[in-house]
Order: sequence, then structure tokens, then C-alpha cells
Amino acid sequence: NAGVTQTPKFQVLKTGQSMTLQCAQDMNHEYMSWYRQDPGMGLRLIHYSVGAGITDQGEVPNGYNVSRSTTEDFPLRLLSAAPSQTSVYFCASSSSRQGIANEQFFGPGTRLTVL
Amino acid sequence: GESVGLHLPTLSVQEGDNSIINCAYSNSASDYFIWYKQESGKGPQFIIDIRSNMDKRQGQRVTVLLNKTVKHLSLQIAATQPGDSAVYFCAENKNDYKLSFGAGTTVTVRA
Repeated sequence: NAGVTQTPKFQVLKTGQSMTLQCAQDMNHEYMSWYRQDPGMGLRLIHYSVGAGITDQGEVPNGYNVSRSTTEDFPLRLLSAAPSQTSVYFCASSSSRQGIANEQFFGPGTRLTVL
Repeated sequence: GESVGLHLPTLSVQEGDNSIINCAYSNSASDYFIWYKQESGKGPQFIIDIRSNMDKRQGQRVTVLLNKTVKHLSLQIAATQPGDSAVYFCAENKNDYKLSFGAGTTVTVRA
């Protein structure tokens, strides 16, 4: 049972490039989410999904796309990277079906730098 | 706007002493609160949670207190150990799938 896995661990992009951050979980969790963490700040919700085929926006969705074709995977796509997207990105999953009623399990994070 | 926040960004505590980390929230509609611990280079790790119909909950060496009158949440760590050094976040949920985090308190344990 690997929990929540994220790839890559580190990534450097040039402004305007696109890329996909991968997230997978093997706990059969319905709920998955993406956060970004900037220095001195808490985590901010980007997008979330309550099940395969269902996604919704969080607090800071601009510049990011998500899809949920399977229960296990929840990739985050940066359409055209900007320096303001330099951050550490965390994926999380939870077994909750109605709101976040249970603890979320977080992945190890992806540190992204946009030049 | 409404947000979750922590009173102090840093806390230094002597090993063996008890630690108290505070958090203020402003959204009276929140009904679920969580404390997370984040060690350097890792993702947040769940510590303990509490629902709005409770005012206290205990775990292993940790206690969470919720005071809804003044919208205050605290995490108490008993007999603090070096392994407790980390950043601690409080988070709130309004039963709408969205979790809002505070800025975090960095706890440093002195030997």
C-alpha cells in the first residue's frame, strides 16, 4: 500500500511551457485534491474531485486544469507556466463521500520552479 | 474575508514541557477542524480532528480544544519530544469538500 504518490519530485520549467503533475492513490478513495504551498503560507486548494468524472474548482484554480478519468489518478496540468506558479504542490486523498469528513492523506509533494 | 489563522508563527519549547499551539478562525459555519503536522520536505500529516459539536478531543499525547464562543482552536502536545519539531497547521471545513488552512506555526524543541 503506497498511499498517495506524486511525480516528479522536482521540476524546472520555462515561462510558457506546459506540463502535468501526476498523482495516484491506491486506497480506493473517492475524494482527491490538489494544493499549492507558498513560503510562509498554508496550503491553498486548487482543484478537487469527489469521484471519477467529477471535478470542481478550489480557491486558486486559474492556470490549472484537472481531470479524473479513474478513481486512482488525478493529474494536474499547467497550461502555460508562469513564475507565479513557482510553488510546492501537494496532492491529497480522502475516503469521505460527503464533505471532508475524514482525514486527508497527503503525497510527498512536487517542487516546481518556473523561470 | 473569512480565514483560519494562527496566533504565533513560531514557538520554542523545552523538551519534556507541554506545548500549546493556538488557532483563531472567523467562519462560524465551519463544522470540522483538523490539525496537521508538516516536517521539512514532507507532506502534511494528520494529527487529530474535532467536530463543532465537541469541545475537546484527546489522542496520543495530543489534545485539541475548541471554543466556539470565541472561535478559537488549540492543540496541546504533552511532554514535547525532539520529533515534534515541525510546522503545525490548523484547517477548517464547512462540510463542502473545501479545506481552508492557516499559515502555520513552526515548533522548535530545545534539548
